Amino acid sequence: TQLLEQSPQFLSIQEGENLTVYCNSSSVFSSLQWYRQEPGEGPVLLVTVVTGGEVKKLKRLTFQFGDARKDSSLHITAAQPGDTGLYLCAGGSGGSNYKLTFGKGTLLTVNP
Amino acid sequence: GAGVSQSPRYKVAKRGQDVALRCDPISGHVSLFWYQQALGQGPEFLTYFQNEAQLDKSGLPSDRFFAERPEGSVSTLKIQRTQQEDSAVYLCASSLARNRGSYNEQFFGPGTRLTVL
Repeated sequence: TQLLEQSPQFLSIQEGENLTVYCNSSSVFSSLQWYRQEPGEGPVLLVTVVTGGEVKKLKRLTFQFGDARKDSSLHITAAQPGDTGLYLCAGGSGGSNYKLTFGKGTLLTVNP
Repeated sequence: GAGVSQSPRYKVAKRGQDVALRCDPISGHVSLFWYQQALGQGPEFLTYFQNEAQLDKSGLPSDRFFAERPEGSVSTLKIQRTQQEDSAVYLCASSLARNRGSYNEQFFGPGTRLTVL
């Protein structure tokens, strides 16, 4: 069974601070996605990374896929209250790319 | 444009009752997925359809869980004889992906929160 461990589980910061959350596994994934989920809603895709060492930027968010494709990180610069939410990583593997394995998520609260 | 819709949004059932949860995927999306998200957890895969064919049901926790998509569009997840441990949010997602090995973005619905008393 493939597992994705996310850390920290909870993070509460002040507006303007920077933060990094992590997603780690002992398994190799062919693709890894980051989602953001707000209360009462389904997850919304932020980014997909597929190449080891890949870095993608989405405004103030920077995503990195580890060289061995086993881990990933999400860095947010100058966090804003609108960034508050549950950040989930999900891995797809091999021929069953359709079947996503999700981590438990990092619940981020950005206080004004 | 319309996204993935699910109904009901909330369902309270007494233990032992049968429930049916509906998912309307984005029009034209071939693939449809059901996930279960327990409180404080990430979503867990339940089952996958490509058009009307259920190609993977390996995540269904027991034979009380049954899913169908008879015409390749709307899907229903049915839970028979509900138990308290079935309490969770049930998420539906759809994507354009046309074969198992390809990846396309999965678009999620808002989920149905099931509470079994």
